[in-house]
Amino acid sequence: NAGVTQTPKFQVLKTGQSMTLQCAQDMNHEYMSWYRQDPGMGLRLIHYSVGAGITDQGEVPNGYNVSRSTTEDFPLRLLSAAPSQTSVYFCASTRDRSGTEAFFGQGTRLTVV
Amino acid sequence: GENVEQHPSTLSVQEGDSAVIKCTYSDSASNYFPWYKQELGKRPQLIIDIRSNVGEKKDQRIAVTLNKTAKHFSLHITETQPEDSAVYFCAASIKDGTASKLTFGTGTRLQVTL
Repeated sequence: NAGVTQTPKFQVLKTGQSMTLQCAQDMNHEYMSWYRQDPGMGLRLIHYSVGAGITDQGEVPNGYNVSRSTTEDFPLRLLSAAPSQTSVYFCASTRDRSGTEAFFGQGTRLTVV
Repeated sequence: GENVEQHPSTLSVQEGDSAVIKCTYSDSASNYFPWYKQELGKRPQLIIDIRSNVGEKKDQRIAVTLNKTAKHFSLHITETQPEDSAVYFCAASIKDGTASKLTFGTGTRLQVTL
């Protein structure tokens, strides 16, 4: 099993551009989520999904969209990138919606100039 | 929503000494408390967790204690080694609607010196 796979690992965007961060898991996990990690602020929840077709907002959802068409994939879309979205993004999955034993992807370092 | 505070932000210990990292949470309904270790440039990895019906859990050199009354939990690392150097995050999980959500502390950078 590959676990949780994120692509790309690094990305530079210009302000106003859009892009999609990809996340896939092969563990048949029900619950997937996206976090951003900024210096001194820990990990903050952006969006999460408890199953295909079901998504909900986390702590910092503005400027991001998600969808969950399959159990395996949970892409994160930046609609119009802003410098404030410069961050490291982590996707995570857990077996069920209890949120226990989360597995993280390797992260995407995004810079918006 | 839940708020998790973590202290200290940096911690330096000599190899072989013990390290203790402390976290407090605000919502008494939180019921799951994991600890993650993140090495430089790597992903966070779960090292130990505890549920609200347990007061202490140990796994070799790592232990976690939970005081529900005071709403705080701590990570204890004994006989520290250089490979323990990393950033450690605590988190608290609370059920919100259809699922539980993790709220993370701001992290502790542990440096183990020779």
